[in-house]
Amino acid sequence: QAVLTQPASLSASPGASASLTCALRSGINVDSNSIYWYQQKAGSPPRYLLRYNSDSDMHQDSGVPSRFSGSKDASANAGILLISGLHSADEADYYCMIWHSSAWVFGGGTKLTVL
Amino acid sequence: QVRPQQWGAGLLKPSETLSLTCQVYGESLRSYYWSWIRQTPGKGLEWIGEISYSGDTNYNPSLKSRVTISSDTSKNYFSLNLTSVTAADTAVYYCARGEFDLWGQGTTVTVSS
Repeated sequence: QAVLTQPASLSASPGASASLTCALRSGINVDSNSIYWYQQKAGSPPRYLLRYNSDSDMHQDSGVPSRFSGSKDASANAGILLISGLHSADEADYYCMIWHSSAWVFGGGTKLTVL
Repeated sequence: QVRPQQWGAGLLKPSETLSLTCQVYGESLRSYYWSWIRQTPGKGLEWIGEISYSGDTNYNPSLKSRVTISSDTSKNYFSLNLTSVTAADTAVYYCARGEFDLWGQGTTVTVSS
């Protein structure tokens, strides 16, 4: 089982909100991990969006709109990237990441379609 | 922030050594950890390893036996060597800063006989 599992795809309408999930493998506690989120558009390297550990321990990269926010769902053992007020420009692949067993580990990514 | 510039051979034969360099501009290499990451359509993003501001290294256990990351702080660049490449090492390779808040432009490396 992968360390981080993301849905392969998600579709949402312009102006709506999209909640992208990143489930941690059983035995890896989301409460003990900072979740990092990256956005990647075709032909470009990933772009760092934010790091979320808690409401008092989080970081958002400069230039990232406040429409992007992080959270955790302890019941699902998952990190969440919430994008509100979707724009067509938000259409991209989104990856989560954690530090686990002395290595940075990425999720498989979610392709977000805005239509 | 200035995007790091990376370069290296883009086409290799099986068993050869992959060598890439990442030149850092506008800040000292000593200010951050620096990593190499690769991306394939099949396996997605894979962290290869990192080098610290003091020159300490940390590698992905899955690649550790074949990877060396080094740096030249006087010239402000760091490098990746990956030995005994196979077709499975075909990927886009990126250098990145710290917790990956700044990425190089990527180098496509193809391994083919």
